[in-house]
Parts: sequence; C-alpha cells; structure tokens
Amino acid sequence: QVQLVESGGRVVQPGRSLRLSCAASGFTFSSFGMHWVRQAPGKGLEWVAVLSYDGSNKYYADSVKGRFTISRDQSKNRLDLQMNGLRVEDTAVYYCARTQSSGNWYFDLWGRGTLVTVSS
Amino acid sequence: AIQLTQSPSSLSTSVGDRVTITCRASQGISSALAWYQQRPGKAPKLLIYDASSLESGVPSRFSGSGSGTDFTLTISSLQPEDFATYYCQQFNNYAGLTFGGGTKLEIK
Repeated sequence: QVQLVESGGRVVQPGRSLRLSCAASGFTFSSFGMHWVRQAPGKGLEWVAVLSYDGSNKYYADSVKGRFTISRDQSKNRLDLQMNGLRVEDTAVYYCARTQSSGNWYFDLWGRGTLVTVSS
Repeated sequence: AIQLTQSPSSLSTSVGDRVTITCRASQGISSALAWYQQRPGKAPKLLIYDASSLESGVPSRFSGSGSGTDFTLTISSLQPEDFATYYCQQFNNYAGLTFGGGTKLEIK
C-alpha cells in the first residue's frame, strides 16, 4: 500500500528539541523528493522544507531556517525533521508529502500528520 | 516571496451549484500552480497541477485555468463530498513554495 506515516509529535516546552519521522511504503522512496508541510490549528498550510530524492539538495522556509533540519535514510525509507529551538508558533500538525514524479513541487501523496504542541 | 491571494475566503453554496475560486499571485508564475482539497481532520488532496492538469482519479467536474498571475478552480456541479477547504499552491524552485489562504465551501 502506498502510504506515508508520520510519528514523533508530542507536547514540548519552548526552546526544546523534537524529531519527527515519516515512514514511506509502497513506492520507491529513493526516487522522490520529499517535503514537510505544517498547519497550525485552524489555520492554512505552510511549507516547511524539502529534500531532493538523493539527499543532495535541501531548502527551508525562512520561518524555520537555522532551527530545523530535514534528512532522509534511504535504507529505511524514512524522512526526518529535526526541530531545535522550538517556539510557540511552531505548534501545528506536521505532514510529510511526496513530490510528484515529474519533479515539480506538487504533492501527490500526503501522510495523516503528527501534532506538535509547543507550550510551557 | 511570492504571495497567493485566494478569493473568496468562504462561500455558502448548494449541491448542484457551479463554483469558481480565484487565486492571484503577487508576480508571474507561468503555470506552476496546483489546487488541493482538504476535508476536516484530513490531509490535503491534490486536484489540479500545472494550473489545468487533472490529477489521476479526480472527478472531471473539477477544472483549473489561468497562467501568469490569475488562476481559477471551477467545480461544475457541486456534490455533497465537495464541501471542504480548497488551497492553491505555487512553487518557484530554490526560492520556496507558498499556499493561498484557503477557501472554505459551506452548505447554504
């Protein structure tokens, strides 16, 4: 079954760190660029980061640059997001999403999301 | 960063209505635009890419048009399952990616 499953979300205090993971299955993970997209409660979608299919290129939204790091483990079909220096405004559901096979940054497969709550 | 402005932000409609949602980019993006549908508590679903290409498996009542700065998503005859929030999205490789603010379709 083609799917993405996120994990790792929980309640964390401001300034602390958290690592999210996304397990991919049912497709050739190493052939696709992968993204993280987040959605604050009751708000719209915000792109967070992208990592190319081979891990050679990564880009971040200005709001997380220098604090978040995207990575992938091709042997485990896993995408990660290391989040440091968390802020209250990072509270959101975090989705991992697959880049369309064309390579264009459209998302044709999404996970169900994992909730990160940053609160003291 | 390129901004996307969707209108309206919400719309009260009825089953069978024809609905048009607009997305305006702050600068030209050629045809690099997608539309997504998000139902409450669910992940977004890709409907349209490259401004007018229908994603596989998406009903033909959905269509997209436009290029440059002005884009539209049209639902030709609204079905009960179409009441959801719709987002446009653009990408500009190496310069990031943005979503519109969303349009919520509500039952009249």
